[in-house]
Amino acid sequence: EPEVTQTPSHQVTQMGQEVILRCVPISNHLYFYWYRQILGQKVEFLVSFYNNEISEKSEIFDDQFSVERPDGSNFTLKIRSTKLEDSAMYFCASSATGGSYNEQFFGPGTRLTVL
Amino acid sequence: AQSVTQLGSHVSVSEGALVLLRCNYSSSVPPYLFWYVQYPNQGLQLLLKYTSAATLVKGINGFEAEFKKSETSFHLTKPSAHMSDAAEYFCAVSKAAGNKLTFGGGTRVLVKP
Repeated sequence: EPEVTQTPSHQVTQMGQEVILRCVPISNHLYFYWYRQILGQKVEFLVSFYNNEISEKSEIFDDQFSVERPDGSNFTLKIRSTKLEDSAMYFCASSATGGSYNEQFFGPGTRLTVL
Repeated sequence: AQSVTQLGSHVSVSEGALVLLRCNYSSSVPPYLFWYVQYPNQGLQLLLKYTSAATLVKGINGFEAEFKKSETSFHLTKPSAHMSDAAEYFCAVSKAAGNKLTFGGGTRVLVKP
């Protein structure tokens, strides 16, 4: 069964450093998303991406964040200068296009720890 | 704006007992509704979804949910809890295909032997 994969599973970084979180969505999907879950809190939407551009972003997704689909398979989230409050589990998701096929398939997540 | 409220952050049930997890939504348009499950140290797995085809939706692992427009609810049930059902359950809403999911706060289920 196709699945969304994410690397690395854990990332520890120093405050102020740049991190790149990587995702490989399901191959025939066209919508891509990043969500995050701070420990003990609800899952929050960060950004959605379609047709090589951001389709929607949340207030959290400020200028420190960027997304890219550098090739036909990867989807990345970059945090330029990490803050302590960026520590969270980051989930990538993808979905096919159209109608009721809005099911978003989630990857296992990358746990980011900012020291 | 859409929102989701899950009543009860923790639910404890005995093995074999009914599981009932409550979800209420607000949405300005007919919503897509979802229940996801998160097992410890894992990602989110879709249990079931409502996309207006039928009000009673059956999902995986014996779970089902009923969409009640008059109550703006989408409660999740399972007739008989199993130890493997111990997890956190999230209700989510979106307003269209390809749209962001808005999650509720989650309900952690503990199953007692």
